[in-house]
Amino acid sequence: DAGVIQSPRHEVTEMGQEVTLRCKPISGHNSLFWYRQTMMRGLELLIYFNNNVPIDDSGMPEDRFSAKMPNASFSTLKIQPSEPRDSAVYFCASSQPGQENYGYTFGSGTRLTVV
Amino acid sequence: AQSVTQLGSHVSVSEGALVLLRCNYSSSVPPYLFWYVQYPNQGLQLLLKYTSAATLVKGINGFEAEFKKSETSFHLTKPSAHMSDAAEYFCAVSERGRRALTFGSGTRLQVQP
Repeated sequence: DAGVIQSPRHEVTEMGQEVTLRCKPISGHNSLFWYRQTMMRGLELLIYFNNNVPIDDSGMPEDRFSAKMPNASFSTLKIQPSEPRDSAVYFCASSQPGQENYGYTFGSGTRLTVV
Repeated sequence: AQSVTQLGSHVSVSEGALVLLRCNYSSSVPPYLFWYVQYPNQGLQLLLKYTSAATLVKGINGFEAEFKKSETSFHLTKPSAHMSDAAEYFCAVSERGRRALTFGSGTRLQVQP
């Protein structure tokens, strides 16, 4: 299995530009999570989906952030317009259904730098 | 809301020494608990998890953790540290029925030769 695949690995963009981060979960996993990691705030849950439906988006910072999951094999996190304070590593993770399968598999992350 | 507290943002041990990384959770109902490891410039990797089976949980790379309800703790241990264990370790909690995890602030483990 290729694991959770995120793209791009690195993104440098100018303030005000639109940024789109992509994630392909592991086949058969029905839950998908987006996290943001910064030195100041650690790992923060932004949003998670179950069976392609957003369950909890209370961690999305503001209206500039949006996430979609059009099908079971793809999700995007979009920031428009981007700001320097959005600079962070963004992780996608997925998990299988079933109580015994709590716990995620993480992707390698996208390091976003907004200048 | 559930939370976890990791005592000590940095821990340094000698190679071959015992590793002890501390995690306490806040919950009136025993949650599910996890330890993850993060190597530089990589994602997080699951070390072990407690989901209400055995209270002593064995994970990968020789790590284990014990769930102690009376102390609301889930400390991570390894009898003998190896240089390759140097990384950041995160404790995480989830409420039963809710898959999203809340992570602690992390503990960076240094292993001295």
